[in-house]
Amino acid sequence: DARVTQTPRHKVTEMGQEVTMRCQPILGHNTVFWYRQTMMQGLELLAYFRNRAPLDDSGMPKDRFSAEMPDATLATLKIQPSEPRDSAVYFCASGQDRGNQPQHFGDGTRLSIL
Amino acid sequence: AQSVTQLGSHVSVSEGALVLLRCNYSSSVPPYLFWYVQYPNQGLQLLLKYTSAATLVKGINGFEAEFKKSETSFHLTKPSAHMSDAAEYFCAVMANYGGSQGNLIFGKGTKLSVKP
Repeated sequence: DARVTQTPRHKVTEMGQEVTMRCQPILGHNTVFWYRQTMMQGLELLAYFRNRAPLDDSGMPKDRFSAEMPDATLATLKIQPSEPRDSAVYFCASGQDRGNQPQHFGDGTRLSIL
Repeated sequence: AQSVTQLGSHVSVSEGALVLLRCNYSSSVPPYLFWYVQYPNQGLQLLLKYTSAATLVKGINGFEAEFKKSETSFHLTKPSAHMSDAAEYFCAVMANYGGSQGNLIFGKGTKLSVKP
């Protein structure tokens, strides 16, 4: 089965450090989503790409977060500088650009900022 | 704006008993609705989807859900619970992007426990 691959699976770092999370979407998928999961807020959208173009990043703190798709096989989410409140699980999902198609999720990056 | 409400953050059933997880949605347009399951330390796995075809949707692992427009509900059921069904379940509505794939708007999740 094709899968969305996220790296790293776990990351522990100190406040102020740069964090980069990577996602390889399923081959042939042209939509990519970044979600964040926390106990308090649940699952919330951070950013959304279609055909590598950013469509919606309104959920992302712009001063410290950035999301890019350098090519169709790689999406990145960066935090600089990181803060303890960024501790969460970050999920990447990909899909085909048709409204009735589901999104397929990776296993997530569990981020802890000390 | 679209939204999803899941009633009950925790549900506990006995093995072999009926599973019923409740989801109500709010949408100004015909919705696309999804149920996902999350096992510990894993991502979300699609259980089933409603995309305006049949109102009774069958998914994996014996789960099904019924779309009821009059009640704005999309409850998830399984006739007989297994120990392996213990997980967290999320109901989601797709944001409307005029036929294109939009982001998912999730409920808060329901954690299902199954007692032997």
